Amino acid sequence: DQQVKQNSPSLSVQEGRISILNCDYTNSMFDYFLWYKKYPAEGPTFLISISSIKDKNEDGRFTVFLNKSAKHLSLHIVPSQPGDSAVYFCAAFYTGNQFYFGTGTSLTVIP
Amino acid sequence: GAVVSQHPSWVICKSGTSVKIECRSLDFQATTMFWYRQFPKQSLMLMATSNEGSKATYEQGVEKDKFLINHASLTLSTLTVTSAHPEDSSFYICSAITGTSFNEQFFGPGTRLTVL
Repeated sequence: DQQVKQNSPSLSVQEGRISILNCDYTNSMFDYFLWYKKYPAEGPTFLISISSIKDKNEDGRFTVFLNKSAKHLSLHIVPSQPGDSAVYFCAAFYTGNQFYFGTGTSLTVIP
Repeated sequence: GAVVSQHPSWVICKSGTSVKIECRSLDFQATTMFWYRQFPKQSLMLMATSNEGSKATYEQGVEKDKFLINHASLTLSTLTVTSAHPEDSSFYICSAITGTSFNEQFFGPGTRLTVL
């Protein structure tokens, strides 16, 4: 039962442009959402998070938007840089419960 | 940020042998560690939750007798894949949290297991 879904397995963006990665979830109990970045053969690294009481959180070039009514969140990277090329996972959980990860989106930023 | 290490990073073994993977929190005490498994182009799937000094809690469908987890100290958890078979070949990742906050999990670099 895939409670967190990333429907785009890959995305290519020109350097300097905006990258938008999308994530949908089905469980309305989720109250915390996170984005992780992962390079091949490495563990995920935390990127940015947002709690369900907010609809936007910004950290430098990274902004996460949450639309609870649509059960949708997105990660915006602007401007995109070649070093941003990686697989991005969204994850969700509710207090005391396990993390649920999406299947990942492979982002390629073209120089 | 907190650092989590895994050893080995890559292991190849023959079918039927057992393999132990270590997960260490290097600069913090981890009250809880998690073990995940990732198949190619798929999501991280939680296998088990490991609390120091107590038995691990396994997710549905994960064989506890096959994937032995020991969390002997606040900085070390081990996953032993017993009688490994080719279908156990995967990328195994551990993570750790401090205290009871799930807000951030610190992930290890992962261990690639190849069973011949």
